[in-house]
Amino acid sequence: GAVVSQHPSRVICKSGTSVKIECRSLDFQATTMFWYRQFPKQSLMLMATSNEGSKATYEQGVEKDKFLINHASLTLSTLTVTSAHPEDSSFYICSARGVGISPLHFGNGTRLTVT
Amino acid sequence: QKEVEQNSGPLSVPEGAIASLNCTYSDRVSQSFFWYRQYSGKSPELIMSIYSNGDKEDGRFTAQLNKASQYVSLLIRDSQPSDSATYLCAVNKAGNNRKLIWGLGTSLAVNP
Repeated sequence: GAVVSQHPSRVICKSGTSVKIECRSLDFQATTMFWYRQFPKQSLMLMATSNEGSKATYEQGVEKDKFLINHASLTLSTLTVTSAHPEDSSFYICSARGVGISPLHFGNGTRLTVT
Repeated sequence: QKEVEQNSGPLSVPEGAIASLNCTYSDRVSQSFFWYRQYSGKSPELIMSIYSNGDKEDGRFTAQLNKASQYVSLLIRDSQPSDSATYLCAVNKAGNNRKLIWGLGTSLAVNP
C-alpha cells in the first residue's frame, strides 16, 4: 500500500519552456503533499507544502511564481517549472501523507535537464 | 545546532555485521520519527517509523527511540551489500504543519 506515482521520470527541455510534473497517490488520500528538490550529492531540500484545496506554502527562497503548485484533489498534485533555465536542472521528488502522523511516501522522482 | 543531526559517514561495515546508525533531534516535543533509505539517484523509501520509546523490529531492521535522550537509532542486522545507501532520519515536530525535519543522512557502505 501507500504508493505514490510521479510522472515523468525524466524530462529534457529547452531553456524558456515550462515543464509539468504530476504526483498521484494511488491507494490513499493525500491530505498533504510535499515537493522536494535534490542536487547531486546534496540533501533533500523542501520546496513547498501543499494541502488539498488550498494554496501551497513555499519555503524561503523558493519562487512561487516560478514553481507553480496545484493540489486540486486528494490524489493529485502538480508542479510546473515555468520558464525553465539550466540552473533548474535537478531531481524533483514529490511525497504524500495521509491523515494524522502517517509516514511520508515518495514518488520515484523526476530528473529534469534544461538545455 | 541542527534540528536533526546525523553523522555523515561514510560508515563502513563488513557483510554480515550489524550496522548502527544514529540520529539526535533538538525539539523535545517531537512526536514521530522515521528512517528512510536512499540509493544514489533514487528517491527515499521508508524503512521504519517509530512513535513511542523503546525498540521496534521489522525483519533485519530495528529502530530504537529514547525521547529522554532525544535519540533515535537504526540497527541493521546481517548487513548486505545491497544495504549500501544513504540513510535519512526524519522527525515530525509537534504542532508542525506536518512537514518533516530531515537529517543530512549517513552514508553506509557494506563491504563483501
